[in-house]
Amino acid sequence: KAGVTQTPRYLIKTRGQQVTLSCSPISGHRSVSWYQQTPGQGLQFLFEYFSETQRNKGNFPGRFSGRQFSNSRSEMNVSTLELGDSALYLCASSQTGQADGYTFGSGTRLTVV
Amino acid sequence: QKEVEQDPGPLSVPEGAIVSLNCTYSNSAFQYFMWYRQYSRKGPELLMYTYSSGNKEDGRFTAQVDKSSKYISLFIRDSQPSDSATYLCAMTGNAGKSTFGDGTTLTVKP
Repeated sequence: KAGVTQTPRYLIKTRGQQVTLSCSPISGHRSVSWYQQTPGQGLQFLFEYFSETQRNKGNFPGRFSGRQFSNSRSEMNVSTLELGDSALYLCASSQTGQADGYTFGSGTRLTVV
Repeated sequence: QKEVEQDPGPLSVPEGAIVSLNCTYSNSAFQYFMWYRQYSRKGPELLMYTYSSGNKEDGRFTAQVDKSSKYISLFIRDSQPSDSATYLCAMTGNAGKSTFGDGTTLTVKP
């Protein structure tokens, strides 16, 4: 079966711009989580959506937002980009959001210049 | 202080060696304990998860959890060059939100 698909794979943006990243979960998976991965901070939880509702949120500023559609596809948006937002953004999907079922995508590499 | 501390590495071992990867944690609310493997330019891949204290074995991999000491380990037996990757421990007490260690990079030399 198809895995978790993230688009685009690579992105270069200018400071101050905004960006939208997309995640298509495995068919049937209703939970989608987003993480930011950087060399200095490791993997940091951004938020989790389950059946179109945000169920958990990490400690990121309001510039980071997300949403989930009725088909479980999810998007995350970062507004007013800063240089420090350069990172690998990963999404993971699961049927229920339990620890045993998460599958990660390959991520979107965002570079802010 | 971070909620999850992982032995930093990097680790370099000869093929066939037994590898031990370790994490400690401070949050007693953590209920599920996972190990992920991440290859370069890829997302993390779930290797094992455990719920209770004790050992769980899957092929060459054994996950060990000691809740009383807040300590988890992953052992890899008969390590192979294909095991070369970054290993991440992760924990969750709340469905959908996992806290990750910083990762240990392992190199297995032929």
